[in-house]
Amino acid sequence: DAKTTQPNSMESNEEEPVHLPCNHSTISGTDYIHWYRQLPSQGPEYVIHGLTSNVNNRMASLAIAEDRKSSTLILHRATLRDAAVYYCILRDVDSASNTGKLIFGQGTTLQVKP
Amino acid sequence: SQTIHQWPATLVQPVGSPLSLECTVEGTSNPNLYWYRQAAGRGLQLLFYSVGIGQISSEVPQNLSASRPQDRQFILSSKKLLLSDSGFYLCAWSVLFRTGDNSPLHFGNGTRLTVT
Repeated sequence: DAKTTQPNSMESNEEEPVHLPCNHSTISGTDYIHWYRQLPSQGPEYVIHGLTSNVNNRMASLAIAEDRKSSTLILHRATLRDAAVYYCILRDVDSASNTGKLIFGQGTTLQVKP
Repeated sequence: SQTIHQWPATLVQPVGSPLSLECTVEGTSNPNLYWYRQAAGRGLQLLFYSVGIGQISSEVPQNLSASRPQDRQFILSSKKLLLSDSGFYLCAWSVLFRTGDNSPLHFGNGTRLTVT
């Protein structure tokens, strides 16, 4: 599985935008970029995913670099409930041996200050 | 709608005792099922996954085993717990994976296991 690199922690002020970076320099053509987040004492929840184009949904936006070697998860207005660990994961959807499993790294712990 | 249930929410077990954690999914058929573990202060480690009844794949060698006796039931077991088995155990499901599929994983609320 291709690896991703994320900062260990980040801080943000409430109601300000947050940009969470992820580097994935060894990404392959069939790897999708997935983001999950884990609130304290809960299981992870899906946030967003993309392949090449930028993506938006009700939770966040995903900006993908043109060479696909990095991406950024954007929370447009951070709230205290957004404090969580954010995971950037590469998922190969074109492998005969893949079963859809996700391999999590250490993620970025986001703190939101009031 | 689909739901996933895990129980118990918390568990304290002595070293050497057996373990059985159960996970069930409702509202879907033929799901992929996964067991993850998160040790204190660490990331999620995939332990087992299953693509069908009786089909179990292990990701890491360990003191644990998994079984899938029914389509929507996934069980994590141990015959003798070790201190190192303590952690937060999470079950997850996704639709049956096919090439090109990007369906997300849906996680349960987890079981916090403390081995004493």
